[in-house]
Amino acid sequence: DAKTTQPTSMDCAEGRAANLPCNHSTISGNEYVYWYRQIHSQGPQYIIHGLKNNETNEMASLIITEDRKSSTLILPHATLRDTAVYYCIVRVLYSGNTPLVFGKGTRLSVIA
Amino acid sequence: GAVVSQHPSWVICKSGTSVKIECRSLDFQATTMFWYRQFPKQSLMLMATSNEGSKATYEQGVEKDKFLINHASLTLSTLTVTSAHPEDSSFYICSARDPGPENEKLFFGSGTQLSVL
Repeated sequence: DAKTTQPTSMDCAEGRAANLPCNHSTISGNEYVYWYRQIHSQGPQYIIHGLKNNETNEMASLIITEDRKSSTLILPHATLRDTAVYYCIVRVLYSGNTPLVFGKGTRLSVIA
Repeated sequence: GAVVSQHPSWVICKSGTSVKIECRSLDFQATTMFWYRQFPKQSLMLMATSNEGSKATYEQGVEKDKFLINHASLTLSTLTVTSAHPEDSSFYICSARDPGPENEKLFFGSGTQLSVL
């Protein structure tokens, strides 16, 4: 799986958009970008994933650059409950019995 | 989405005793489950892969005789920390893949905080 680089921490004002960047310059053509988050003392939660097109669901939007070497997770209206560690993971589409490998992630603090 | 239930949420035990943690897939069958460990302010580290009906596979550095994994059914995997010591105190998390429509995702339990006195 390709390596990812994320900022260690970020702050965001409540109600504003939170934009979390991820660099994955060695991504392969068949690798997807996955985002998970972990709220304190809970298990990780799936957010979104994508290959090359931008994706949006009820939780967030994922913007992937045209060269696919970086992406941004956007939480459009951050709330205090979005405070968590966000993990960007690059891997082939999850279809087999292989685990997720977590990096250090970005600790997002949403401030009132 | 699919639900993975983990029990107990937290447990305190004395040094030298054994603790069992259960991981259940509530609305799907999972031939494979994964166990992670997480120390404070660190990321999740994969401990082992639990395979239904066969032996678990352990990551390098994880003692298989200390962390016993049993996956006797398609909906239940257990992790037993044997002869626990204070250094085993950690947050343990299980995960599984739902082979149904959301099969591109892994779902996680809520975690078990183990404190060994």
